[in-house]
Amino acid sequence: DVKVTQSSRYLVKRTGEKVFLECVQDMDHENMFWYRQDPGLGLRLIYFSYDVKMKEKGDIPEGYSVSREKKERFSLILESASTNQTSMYLCASSLSGGALETQYFGPGTRLLVL
Amino acid sequence: DAKTTQPPSMDCAEGRAANLPCNHSTISGNEYVYWYRQIHSQGPQYIIHGLKNNETNEMASLIITEDRKSSTLILPHATLRDTAVYYCIVRVETSYDKVIFGPGTSLSVIP
Repeated sequence: DVKVTQSSRYLVKRTGEKVFLECVQDMDHENMFWYRQDPGLGLRLIYFSYDVKMKEKGDIPEGYSVSREKKERFSLILESASTNQTSMYLCASSLSGGALETQYFGPGTRLLVL
Repeated sequence: DAKTTQPPSMDCAEGRAANLPCNHSTISGNEYVYWYRQIHSQGPQYIIHGLKNNETNEMASLIITEDRKSSTLILPHATLRDTAVYYCIVRVETSYDKVIFGPGTSLSVIP
């Protein structure tokens, strides 16, 4: 089974703090994604990566950055956390180039910024 | 990606089949139908997908109408652990294709 793990299930941070969210997948997937999920807004793509050291902006990249130094690990960074970044953060991974591609999600990290 | 419409909520008795409908009348020929579910406070879980033929796996069955404008996800023997929000998505498979979730159907399995 594909396993996508996220470093924390719950986080509480203060405004202005730098926040790191880690995601690791164990199936040698090329593609990795970071989403945030908010009530009434569904899933919104923040950043994705299709290879090591490669990254692409999603729909809402402002206030976030990412790092992909190893294939299995994709980190989301909040440079200076703000209260409007309180959300559920979901990481996903998928194979590349397959005829039928499926994204597998991690358990999510609930971030509260005070 | 084509839009989908699903009923906002459904109930199902434990042990009975749960049939969750989805309309996707503007689906394109190269778009697949995917189903995910999300149990409260967890990440979305992939269930099943198909293009035009009916599909079955260990979790569920997917029935797609001949004109592909609608589909039904069937959980053959619903359990309390199947209580979740179920999302129907239509999308073209590309390497960098994001997943777009609508509001989904909140399924409650009742003892």
